[in-house]
Amino acid sequence: NAGVTQTPKFRVLKTGQSMTLLCAQDMNHEYMYWYRQDPGMGLRLIHYSVGEGTTAKGEVPDGYNVSRLKKQNFLLGLESAAPSQTSVYFCASSSGGAYETQYFGPGTRLLVL
Amino acid sequence: AQKITQTQPGMFVQEKEAVTLDCTYDTSDQSYGLFWYKQPSSGEMIFLIYQGSYDEQNATEGRYSLNFQKARKSANLVISASQLGDSAMYFCATVTGGGNKLTFGTGTQLKVEL
Repeated sequence: NAGVTQTPKFRVLKTGQSMTLLCAQDMNHEYMYWYRQDPGMGLRLIHYSVGEGTTAKGEVPDGYNVSRLKKQNFLLGLESAAPSQTSVYFCASSSGGAYETQYFGPGTRLLVL
Repeated sequence: AQKITQTQPGMFVQEKEAVTLDCTYDTSDQSYGLFWYKQPSSGEMIFLIYQGSYDEQNATEGRYSLNFQKARKSANLVISASQLGDSAMYFCATVTGGGNKLTFGTGTQLKVEL
């Protein structure tokens, strides 16, 4: 049972480039989340989804877009990467809202030069 | 807005001893939940324990227990009989009200020594 997987594990981008991070879960969870983690800070919510075809903004949504075309997948896009987006990105999923345990992926380390 | 405070950036404990990691929260909601997650050096986030605001008993999961003091708005994690594998970053997190978002604290780095 894979749980939550993230692709890629590590990426280097130049300022202005675009990329998409893929999150996949095989637990049939309704809710999915994207977080970023920066040194000295906890995880901050970027966007989340409460079901297929839905998305909503979190705490730090600027510069990111998301899509949830299939229940098992949640994509995070950076249209024009900036050095401030250098971070570790975590995807998570849960069966219900945030009162339910969230299961996290292994993270994607992104470096924007 | 919800706020979680973890005042201990780093803690040391000797193997086999107990350790308490502090967490205070700031919410005016009556209904909320509190989580603790562990992040080892490998990077993954691992769920440890959950406490609901209406739970009368302190939550326990194996060697982990949550010292929930509602009036003081604190939810400290107690790890008993520390092991070397407990060395990690520990995050407290809360969800309140409508319940779609977790808010995390800044974490406490725990180092277990021989």
